[in-house]
Order: sequence, then C-alpha cells, then structure tokens
Amino acid sequence: NSKVIQTPRYLVKGQGQKAKMRCIPEKGHPVVFWYQQNKNNEFKFLINFQNQEVLQQIDMTEKRFSAECPSNSPCSLEIQSSEAGDSALYLCASSLGGQDTQYFGPGTRLLVL
Amino acid sequence: QQQVRQSPQSLTVWEGETAILNCSYEDSTFDYFPWYWQFPRESPALLIAIRPVSNKKEDGRFTIFFNKREKKLSLHITDSQPGDSATYFCAASVTNTGKLTFGDGTVLTVKP
Repeated sequence: NSKVIQTPRYLVKGQGQKAKMRCIPEKGHPVVFWYQQNKNNEFKFLINFQNQEVLQQIDMTEKRFSAECPSNSPCSLEIQSSEAGDSALYLCASSLGGQDTQYFGPGTRLLVL
Repeated sequence: QQQVRQSPQSLTVWEGETAILNCSYEDSTFDYFPWYWQFPRESPALLIAIRPVSNKKEDGRFTIFFNKREKKLSLHITDSQPGDSATYFCAASVTNTGKLTFGDGTVLTVKP
C-alpha cells in the first residue's frame, strides 16, 4: 500500500485564484512526480524532482504552474491563476529512482468554478 | 501521435472467465511497462510490471505477455472476479527519466 500523502483531498477555486496542493513522498523516496488526470481518465505528466532538483517538466508547467520539493518540507504544486480546464485529479507519485516503481498518493481533486 | 494505446476501451466478462487487455506502444526506448488499476474515486495502484528482458511476467491470476518485436503487450486475468472490476492502465517509461506515459485505459466489468 502506498504511503504517499497528499493534501488537501479536495480543492475548490474560482477562476483566476491560486490553487496549492502538497505531497509528502514515501519515506526514503528521493524522486517525486506530479501527474494530472482529467475527467476522461487521460494522464498528463507535469514535473518530476530528484530531491530538490527538477528533472523534467512540460511547457504547461513552466507558465502557470510552479512546483518545488524543499528539503524537510512537503513538495507542492501551485497553479498561479486557475482556469476551468485545470479541473482534474492531481496525482503525486514517489519512487526510489527512475527505474523503480512509482507509488501514487490518493490525489487532490481540484474543481475550478 | 499517442505513444501508448490500449484496447478495448471497455470489456465485460463473466466471473471465472479470462479477461485479455491489450496495449501497444510507439517508442522503442521504453524499457519499463507497469500496469496500474484504478477503482472509482481512488488513485492508481500498481498491479504488475514487466521489463523487456522478459516476455512473460506472472503474479497469481495476472500475467503480462510481452512482444518486443511487435511493440505489444497484453494483460491476462484468469478466473476473473467481480472485485477485479476496475479501469486498467498500461503505462511505459524510459529508465533515465522515469516519466510514465499512460494509455487511455480499459474499463473491465466482471459480472457474477
């Protein structure tokens, strides 16, 4: 069973508002991934970290999305100005390394009104 | 171009039957193929995974068959149970990035 913790479980924001969600990876897992799963069950990779360093991120993430994984603090994903199309399930996953299994947290379900 | 494709979109089998879920991929550099299942209102959970060094991986009632030449794999669920009803996602990644590319999923319904 996954030990990745995500908060909050549900988040409701108005368009233009900031939305911030947090993730605590499984203990000992240095690699953290963020994915977006939309209402059609389509997954989109957003960004990943190894310890505090960004490994890879998509263009969308570079514009309105920001993320960080500070040492000794939860990782976070923030949407600066939410849009209706951002409504989705945001999943955090952690792993021991690039070649290892990713374990998903319960997700944060964002609804942008 | 979708990198990972799954078929069928939905599948219904009777309890005790074998369900076969298919997956194909485009990128020959993919070297890790996990299958995740997801129940309603839950997050994906790892079911079983395979690397191209093997052409078969078995775990209880779940077996992955892998064909590297054709870039295809399939998940066989024998003696299907109603509790197996879920959405199954085939995913693929390259070791040096770890980023998972998911298919669109197969919704499996097992009727008692």
